[in-house]
Amino acid sequence: AQSVTQLGSHVSVSEGALVLLRCNYSSSVPPYLFWYVQYPNQGLQLLLKYTSAATLVKGINGFEAEFKKSETSFHLTKPSAHMSDAAEYFCAVSEGTSGTYKYIFGTGTRLKVLA
Amino acid sequence: GAVVSQHPSRVICKSGTSVKIECRSLDFQATTMFWYRQFPKQSLMLMATSNEGSKATYEQGVEKDKFLINHASLTLSTLTVTSAHPEDSSFYICSASLVGANVLTFGAGSRLTVL
Repeated sequence: AQSVTQLGSHVSVSEGALVLLRCNYSSSVPPYLFWYVQYPNQGLQLLLKYTSAATLVKGINGFEAEFKKSETSFHLTKPSAHMSDAAEYFCAVSEGTSGTYKYIFGTGTRLKVLA
Repeated sequence: GAVVSQHPSRVICKSGTSVKIECRSLDFQATTMFWYRQFPKQSLMLMATSNEGSKATYEQGVEKDKFLINHASLTLSTLTVTSAHPEDSSFYICSASLVGANVLTFGAGSRLTVL
């Protein structure tokens, strides 16, 4: 069974500081991994995805994530936080090639950006 | 890009009534749609996988008679919460995938409040 663990339900950073949101996964097959962002009372917006190509994935809004198989991790980073980055971030894993694309989500990390 | 529309975005109903939520893929056909439920400040819980022209596949613990899912066309899936009770109050989010693309696009969600 697949699972995702997000360490830290709340993360606070100063504006301009590095953002690091942690995600570890468990999967018996090569995983597809995703980061989504959710603003209050809205659906989820895809930030980036890993689908077995390049291990360093660049997404929207300056975010990137690196797939590390040895560490079973897919941490999300951004060099310089902006106030507009304050939101809930979800890491997700799927089997990818199954054709059903069932996603399993982590518990989420709420990012707070301090002025 | 792929767009998924959900309607209504907010609905308030009395206990014992039924509520229908629609999920439409606006510019693509989706053979598979997914319904998630999100409790306040929590992650998304997959409820069921909706397959066009066939019965939905429900996750363990989700009452199929309580949450009726119909996927009658390639662009529309509906979730009906039958005999709603206050504990059914939640944020319901649907998602769909463009055929051949392993990325889910999410609707903006529907907030259900049962009085």
